[in-house]
Amino acid sequence: AQTVTQSQPEMSVQEAETVTLSCTYDTSESDYYLFWYKQPPSRQMILVIRQEAYKQQNATENRFSVNFQKAAKSFSLKISDSQLGDAAMYFCAYRSFQTSGSRLTFGEGTQLTVNP
Amino acid sequence: EPEVTQTPSHQVTQMGQEVILRCVPISNHLYFYWYRQILGQKVEFLVSFYNNEISEKSEIFDDQFSVERPDGSNFTLKIRSTKLEDSAMYFCASSLAALLYFGPGTRLTVT
Repeated sequence: AQTVTQSQPEMSVQEAETVTLSCTYDTSESDYYLFWYKQPPSRQMILVIRQEAYKQQNATENRFSVNFQKAAKSFSLKISDSQLGDAAMYFCAYRSFQTSGSRLTFGEGTQLTVNP
Repeated sequence: EPEVTQTPSHQVTQMGQEVILRCVPISNHLYFYWYRQILGQKVEFLVSFYNNEISEKSEIFDDQFSVERPDGSNFTLKIRSTKLEDSAMYFCASSLAALLYFGPGTRLTVT
């Protein structure tokens, strides 16, 4: 079974600074998807960014980018120019590519605080 | 943009009662899911549903739980004889391909 680990329960960053959230995962599969979800106090799950394992290029979405290291099974999220609205719980998640309708497996989450 | 909807947003029930949580997935999606998040904890997979049957379930999804797609649009999660530890946020999601689209969640409080 796949597992996802986020070793940083809490992180903080100053507004306009850059922060990196860590995620590692364990799998025996070669094809899969990785995601970062944001969960603000409303508890809505909001997709931030996704990465297909077969793509070598790191995904980027505006101020959000990932550092995907397939051999190391590492998938970190970098938030540049942090804004107060970025404060939330961030979850890393894994999904198998091989089985349609496969489950998402989430990490424990990292609570991000943005200081003004 | 189409979205997943869930009702109610908050449900309070007494221990031992049955509850039904409702979801309307995105209309052309084929796969449906329920997830649970106990306050302060991670999001946990409960069950996935495809072609009118359960395709996968976790160890959490025991005989207390059931899912149904009664009318081609709604997707429901029934919890029989609720326990205090069932208090959580319950998320419905649907997908057509790689991306899961989550609903806003139903907060279940068991007293």
